[in-house]
Amino acid sequence: QKEVEQDPGPLSVPEGAIVSLNCTYSNSAFQYFMWYRQYSRKGPELLMYTYSSGNKEDGRFTAQVDKSSKYISLFIRDSQPSDSATYLCAMRQYGNKLVFGAGTILRVKS
Amino acid sequence: GAVVSQHPSRVICKSGTSVKIECRSLDFQATTMFWYRQFPKKSLMLMATSNEGSKATYEQGVEKDKFLINHASLTLSTLTVTSAHPEDSSFYICSARDLSGEQFFGPGTRLTVL
Repeated sequence: QKEVEQDPGPLSVPEGAIVSLNCTYSNSAFQYFMWYRQYSRKGPELLMYTYSSGNKEDGRFTAQVDKSSKYISLFIRDSQPSDSATYLCAMRQYGNKLVFGAGTILRVKS
Repeated sequence: GAVVSQHPSRVICKSGTSVKIECRSLDFQATTMFWYRQFPKKSLMLMATSNEGSKATYEQGVEKDKFLINHASLTLSTLTVTSAHPEDSSFYICSARDLSGEQFFGPGTRLTVL
């Protein structure tokens, strides 16, 4: 079993839809949780960074962490074609290296 | 967010030559930098962790004599691919962690070895 599981997709949605991206993990010692967006042939861009259970909102993006269920989510409201990218969840213990999910390919169709 | 730059963005070289890739944190100091390799449609594979002023820690299966890492200052780390071969062709991405623990990635370097 992988430490971090993420459905690779692709996930196709119409423009304006609410997108839900998810990851599950097995290591209860993970304390820091991140979501990155990666466009083709570019480096990952940090979208959200959280270290506690609950919700964190930034514009159209909401990150949700449920440590009791070992489950994290990223919600994108009013999705746009420019949101089409690969979304990577990542997490780590204090001081340790990041462990990535496989990445979910998102396609937002206009 | 913080900015990490990489240079060059793309390099083509002949088999047997060495290639150096630079990674800089532009507006913050990074005590820890990371080097990743990414194959098409795959997630990032950590190659090594680099701490300023000390030797890099390599992941299992990564040849330290082939992939030389130098972290000379709090804003600069370099990766040198020595005696490059076609199988080293890949997308190499560096990352830097700031004091709050956030980790930012560079734009990547596409290496093609002929």
